[in-house]
Amino acid sequence: GAVVSQHPSRVICKSGTSVKIECRSLDFQATTMFWYRQFPKQSLMLMATSNEGSKATYEQGVEKDKFLINHASLTLSTLTVTSAHPEDSSFYICSARPTGTGEVEQYFGPGTRLTVT
Amino acid sequence: RKEVEQDPGPFNVPEGATVAFNCTYSNSASQSFFWYRQDCRKEPKLLMSVYSSGNEDGRFTAQLNRASQYISLLIRDSKLSDSATYLCVVITYSGNTPLVFGKGTRLSVIA
Repeated sequence: GAVVSQHPSRVICKSGTSVKIECRSLDFQATTMFWYRQFPKQSLMLMATSNEGSKATYEQGVEKDKFLINHASLTLSTLTVTSAHPEDSSFYICSARPTGTGEVEQYFGPGTRLTVT
Repeated sequence: RKEVEQDPGPFNVPEGATVAFNCTYSNSASQSFFWYRQDCRKEPKLLMSVYSSGNEDGRFTAQLNRASQYISLLIRDSKLSDSATYLCVVITYSGNTPLVFGKGTRLSVIA
C-alpha cells in the first residue's frame, strides 16, 4: 500500500523557536497533501491543504505566517511552526492522496508529536 | 449543524459482543465515505470504504443510507484488539478535497 513518512516523529523545542516537520510520500506522487492537528482527546482538525508548486490553502483560524507550508516536489511537503508557543504543542499529521490514480482515499503519515516548553 | 456527527462514546463492551456505530453527514453532495480507525497516539488508518450497497469485511459491516444521510459500522464478535477510536469520514468528490472527520467514537472491548 501507499506509504507516507513524517520526520521527526517527536520533537521538543523551547518557546520562541521554529520547528520544521517533513511529510514524504514514499511510493507515490501527491500533488496535494494535507496537514492536520490533533489535540488530546479531540478530533483531527484540518489546518491547510498543501499544493505542489503553489501556495497552500489555510483553514479559517490558522495563521499562515505562523504555520509555513512548502510543497516543493510531488513527494515532499514541509510544515514549519514558527515562533512556537506551548499552545502549539499537539500531534501534527499529514496525509496525501495519490495523484493520477483516481483514488480518493488519503494515506496518513505516522504523525509528529510536538511539545513546546 | 456539524458536517459529520458521530455517536458520542465511549462504548465499553465485553469480548464477543456486537457493537454498532452511527454517523450522520450534512452535505448531501458528499460522495465518498469511509471508516478509519485510530489507535491512541497513532495516525488514522483506513478500515473500510462504505458503499450504498453495503460492504462487509470479516467481522466488520458498513452501510450507507443516502436518503437519511447516515453511515453505520457494525462490529461482530468484538476482540480486545478492536479497542480504538473509530472515525467516520466523508468527502466530496474532488481531487483537492480533504477528508472531513467526525470526532470519533471510542470503543473499549473488555475481557
